[in-house]
Amino acid sequence: GAVVSQHPSRVICKSGTSVKIECRSLDFQATTMFWYRQFPKQSLMLMATSNEGSKATYEQGVEKDKFLINHASLTLSTLTVTSAHPEDSSFYICSAPQTSGDNNEQFFGPGTRLTVL
Amino acid sequence: AQSVTQLDSQVPVFEEAPVELRCNYSSSVSVYLFWYVQYPNQGLQLLLKYLSGSTLVKSINGFEAEFNKSQTSFHLRKPSVHISDTAEYFCAVSVGGYNKLIFGAGTRLAVHP
Repeated sequence: GAVVSQHPSRVICKSGTSVKIECRSLDFQATTMFWYRQFPKQSLMLMATSNEGSKATYEQGVEKDKFLINHASLTLSTLTVTSAHPEDSSFYICSAPQTSGDNNEQFFGPGTRLTVL
Repeated sequence: AQSVTQLDSQVPVFEEAPVELRCNYSSSVSVYLFWYVQYPNQGLQLLLKYLSGSTLVKSINGFEAEFNKSQTSFHLRKPSVHISDTAEYFCAVSVGGYNKLIFGAGTRLAVHP
């Protein structure tokens, strides 16, 4: 199947700094990507839909100025957590759908664990 | 709005025993249903899905799930588990396709020798 990568796999930063997380579709193009966050022992929660060449669509309750999303190419979406605080510590996961004939499937990255001190 | 409930956070089981991971959903409209598996340090992988048609769907590695509309359930079963099945399993729903998946909290399946 298709591969989606994320970088970095884990990051530790100080409170108040910004952190950028990259999501890449390695062997297919994705005009749309999705960003999720997962707290320990909880569901993956959809944060936003990243759209290539246009603004991201954020889910209700997600601060768009806090979580900046840029989908600059068909294989790369970035999520920047601005002015990070300890409550932003979480596991961030991206996914990208790939359509092949009648089949349509979402492929997930391995996730990025963010720890804000 | 849709929601998904996975009733068991952890399921310990011995190798070669049968297992059932429970999933219930709520929705006022028709949904698509999915089971994803996450092995340690890997991304989520699609295990099986129900879109329409036969209510019993199967994966290539022996798992199956049955869509029960009256009970709003999509439980995952395997008649005989292996050590390699140890992983986190997520049930998910979506409306109208593969986008905007709503996930359950996950069930950790631990298979013991």
